[in-house]
Amino acid sequence: DAGVIQSPRHEVTEMGQEVTLRCKPISGHDYLFWYRQTMMRGLELLIYFNNNVPIDDSGMPEDRFSAKMPNASFSTLKIQPSEPRDSAVYFCASSPWTGRSSGANVLTFGAGSRLTVL
Amino acid sequence: EDQVTQSPEALRLQEGESSSLNCSYTVSGLRGLFWYRQDPGKGPEFLFTLYSAGEEKEKERLKATLTKKESFLHITAPKPEDSATYLCAVRYNDMRFGAGTRLTVKP
Repeated sequence: DAGVIQSPRHEVTEMGQEVTLRCKPISGHDYLFWYRQTMMRGLELLIYFNNNVPIDDSGMPEDRFSAKMPNASFSTLKIQPSEPRDSAVYFCASSPWTGRSSGANVLTFGAGSRLTVL
Repeated sequence: EDQVTQSPEALRLQEGESSSLNCSYTVSGLRGLFWYRQDPGKGPEFLFTLYSAGEEKEKERLKATLTKKESFLHITAPKPEDSATYLCAVRYNDMRFGAGTRLTVKP
């Protein structure tokens, strides 16, 4: 398996523009997570999906952020309009869930998308 | 509110100087405590999962332990290649991360 695939790896845009980040999870994983990482706030959970359904989006900063998972192999995180404070590394991660004691309940992360909003 | 707190924020060691990193948590219904390693410019990489107080896991120079309120990552005789940020996370249904400990091992 190629692992979790994110695109683009780097994005530089101007304030007010729309940004779309993409993620392909590992095949067979039931859960998909979007995180944002900054020096100041560390890794913050934005939203997660179970079987393509959004379960908890309480970490989404505001209405400018939206996430979708139209099928089991694809998810997007969209920021519209973007602002300089959205500059961060955005990670997608996926996970199976096979029970409390299973070592398989591990998140596998993608390489991240580094977003710079000027 | 569920909390995951890691200490210290940064740790500088000489090669061969053993030490421990701490992760304390306040999560009800814990479904696993996880340790990850993150190198600059990369995503976090899984190291260990612990589920029950008293459980221990080992991998090369690293050993993770768990109590009811905290976990320790012990590093024995570290090498420069162990330099990285070590992240602790707790899982209920979602996964919440601590701020990490940035470890530097000098030769």
